[in-house]
Amino acid sequence: KQEVTQIPAALSVPEGENLVLNCSFTDSAIYNLQWFRQDPGKGLTSLLLIQSSQREQTSGRLNASLDKSSGRSTLYIAASQPGDSATYLCAVGTYNFNKFYFGSGTKLNVKP
Amino acid sequence: EPEVTQTPSHQVTQMGQEVILRCVPISNHLYFYWYRQILGQKVEFLVSFYNNEISEKSEIFDDQFSVERPDGSNFTLKIRSTKLEDSAMYFCASSGEGQVTPLHFGNGTRLTVT
Repeated sequence: KQEVTQIPAALSVPEGENLVLNCSFTDSAIYNLQWFRQDPGKGLTSLLLIQSSQREQTSGRLNASLDKSSGRSTLYIAASQPGDSATYLCAVGTYNFNKFYFGSGTKLNVKP
Repeated sequence: EPEVTQTPSHQVTQMGQEVILRCVPISNHLYFYWYRQILGQKVEFLVSFYNNEISEKSEIFDDQFSVERPDGSNFTLKIRSTKLEDSAMYFCASSGEGQVTPLHFGNGTRLTVT
């Protein structure tokens, strides 16, 4: 069974800092990997999707990388803002689009 | 931008009652899912649905649960004889076909069983 781990569990940084969130998974036979943002009491908002054949994906201040062989992905957030405060979830997709395994998330607090 | 919509946003029910959670996935999506998140725990997979049938289900998804796509737009999760431990946020999600289509989630239904 795929196990997804996210480190750190919580992170507090001053505004403007660049930061890295980590995700690791135990089975490298993945279909894709998706990073989500979750605000308290809300649904999950898709941030970036990396296909299994890709190494990285970028959207604005966000950059996600994928190293399948080592079972790792990172989400890099540049020039963090208070509005980035949320929980960030990593989800690993299995083949045939059937199931995604989620990590526990990293709760990010960006202080003004 | 198209989105997944879920109703109700909050449902309170008594133990032993049946509930139906409703979802309208994005219209051109082909894959539909239910996930749940118990407070303070990981988001966990319940079931996936494709081509009008269940394609995969977790060990959580036992005979107490069922899913249905009664028409071309709605996707429902029925929980029979609810238990206290069914209290959770239930998320509906949908995706298109292929590696490039991300999973889109609704805002969830918070189910409270008393």
